[in-house]
Amino acid sequence: GQSLEQPSEVTAVEGAIVQINCTYQTSGFYGLSWYQQHDGGAPTFLSYNALDGLEETGRFSSFLSRSDSYGYLLLQELQMKDSASYFCAVRVNTNAGKSTFGDGTTLTVKP
Amino acid sequence: DVKVTQSSRYLVKRTGEKVFLECVQDMDHENMFWYRQDPGLGLRLIYFSYDVKMKEKGDIPEGYSVSREKKERFSLILESASTNQTSMYLCASSPSDGRKAFFGQGTRLTVV
Repeated sequence: GQSLEQPSEVTAVEGAIVQINCTYQTSGFYGLSWYQQHDGGAPTFLSYNALDGLEETGRFSSFLSRSDSYGYLLLQELQMKDSASYFCAVRVNTNAGKSTFGDGTTLTVKP
Repeated sequence: DVKVTQSSRYLVKRTGEKVFLECVQDMDHENMFWYRQDPGLGLRLIYFSYDVKMKEKGDIPEGYSVSREKKERFSLILESASTNQTSMYLCASSPSDGRKAFFGQGTRLTVV
């Protein structure tokens, strides 16, 4: 079976840094993605890691360690608009890019 | 701007009805997906397709079927709707490498 574990809720203050972890146990692994979803909105793509290491995109960074089956999303200089749900997803096959999603982490940013 | 469009934002159907959810993408993507999203359960894959007329079951295909007659369109069919299929349904598409998926706005289906 496939399982992805991420915290259900995280709270942080504006301007702070927050890290959302994701550990996975899947039958295949071809990459780890992160998506953001605001209430009532569609998930939007944030990042993708296929190889170990850190990928940086503006205030957001994503890290992967394949040997530890672990990744994280790092959000810096938090803003109120970052309050949303964040999902990690593991691409489990090469055919059609089938991905398994975690249950999501709700991030609340407080003033 | 890339776009995935789902035909309805909200839908109310009766138990036993046959329900069609339509999804169209304008990015010429090979892959298309149907997910359902329930509180606390994340996104669960129902079916996906990697080419016209090609489909594969996802993690929760029971009670659903799909159709992909044209590359840009992927339909989800509930053969006989039941109350436990009340949910948010999300369609997505991605290019062949599958690295980045684009999602539609979702259809909130209520079965009464």
